[in-house]
Amino acid sequence: ETGVTQSPTHLIKTRGQQVTLRCSSQSGHNTVSWYQQALGQGPQFIFQYYREEENGRGNFPPRFSGLQFPNYSSELNVNALELDDSALYLCASSTQGGLSYEQYFGPGTRLTVT
Amino acid sequence: AQSVTQLDSQVPVFEEAPVELRCNYSSSVSVYLFWYVQYPNQGLQLLLKYLSGSTLVKGINGFEAEFNKSQTSFHLRKPSVHISDTAEYFCAVSRVSGGSNYKLTFGKGTLLTVNP
Repeated sequence: ETGVTQSPTHLIKTRGQQVTLRCSSQSGHNTVSWYQQALGQGPQFIFQYYREEENGRGNFPPRFSGLQFPNYSSELNVNALELDDSALYLCASSTQGGLSYEQYFGPGTRLTVT
Repeated sequence: AQSVTQLDSQVPVFEEAPVELRCNYSSSVSVYLFWYVQYPNQGLQLLLKYLSGSTLVKGINGFEAEFNKSQTSFHLRKPSVHISDTAEYFCAVSRVSGGSNYKLTFGKGTLLTVNP
């Protein structure tokens, strides 16, 4: 069973640039959720994708957007990067309609905005 | 909306001592409860969860937690810790649903440091 993978591991961008982060779901999972974890904080929910559509969104501006593909992998796009976007971005996969209610997290992408 | 408060940001203990990490939550609806562990430079790993039934839940690595609805708490315990338990621990909740996985709301975390 393949776990959740994310790429890249680390990324350095300049304020105002755009970035795309990628996530491959665990085998058999149909839902992907993205979280932002600032230094010293707990993860904050950004949004969730199910059946290639956004299925819930946290308190993040529209410059945070996402995609889910037919193979259930996902992308997180952030436009007009700000210094406060520096964080660990975590992807979690799960299954809608199941009974475990567990979300399986990837290792994260560390984004630094300078 | 839900919120989670982890009452201790840091908990230092000696090896083989017992430990309790405290978690309280607030929600206007019924919730599921989770504890996750995060080792340095890694993602989150599920330790245990409470969905329904027995309020004492056992998880991996010898951890257990007890759900107390009247006190809206879900404290994590281990009777004897090891150096390898040093990590950040997060309490999280999600609202009860009929098979749908809703967002997790996390606390700010408790750094458990186990000293020799």
